Amino acid sequence: NAGVMQNPRHLVRRRGQEARLRCSPMKGHSHVYWYRQLPEEGLKFMVYLQKENIIDESGMPKERFSAEFPKEGPSILRIQQVVRGDSAAYFCASSPPSQGDTEAFFGQGTRLTVV
Amino acid sequence: LAKTTQPISMDSYEGQEVNITCSHNNIATNDYITWYQQFPSQGPRFIIQGYKTKVTNEVASLFIPADRKSSTLSLPRVSLSDTAVYYCLVALWSSASKIIFGSGTRLSIRP
Repeated sequence: NAGVMQNPRHLVRRRGQEARLRCSPMKGHSHVYWYRQLPEEGLKFMVYLQKENIIDESGMPKERFSAEFPKEGPSILRIQQVVRGDSAAYFCASSPPSQGDTEAFFGQGTRLTVV
Repeated sequence: LAKTTQPISMDSYEGQEVNITCSHNNIATNDYITWYQQFPSQGPRFIIQGYKTKVTNEVASLFIPADRKSSTLSLPRVSLSDTAVYYCLVALWSSASKIIFGSGTRLSIRP
């Protein structure tokens, strides 16, 4: 059973471009969470999704950021018109529906660099 | 929000037992206590989870007193590879926005 898969592992974008980060949850998991981590800091919650539903997006910046988790395919975190301050590691985690409250497993992250 | 307090850093030596204590005074009745380990450039890795008393797995033990306002992660006989940041989390993932990672405890193991 493969773990949470994120791609790409590293992404470089110029200011003003779009960044698309993908997260494939573990098999059987229907809950996905996205986090952002700056160097030497803890992870900051961004958004919690279930299939075709955004459950909690209270941590998402109001502009330029969006997330989706379609019925088929990976979850996508999309950042439009990136700025230098978006440079960070973005992690996603997934949890199963039956134990959605207590266990979540993280991917290896995508490191976004905006130049 | 389920805020936790843990030491910023700890040092120890190979072969020693390491105990990291986390305070969570405002833990809610339904909250679970979960510990994660993170190595540089990697995602957090689940270590152990508990609700009350003591939990043990092949990696660590977790001690939770009756009032649940704190918990202690115990790593037996640490090795250099245990050098990492350890996060104590309190809450349920269904309330993910209430889970605060904080800065964690940076554990350094020396030969």
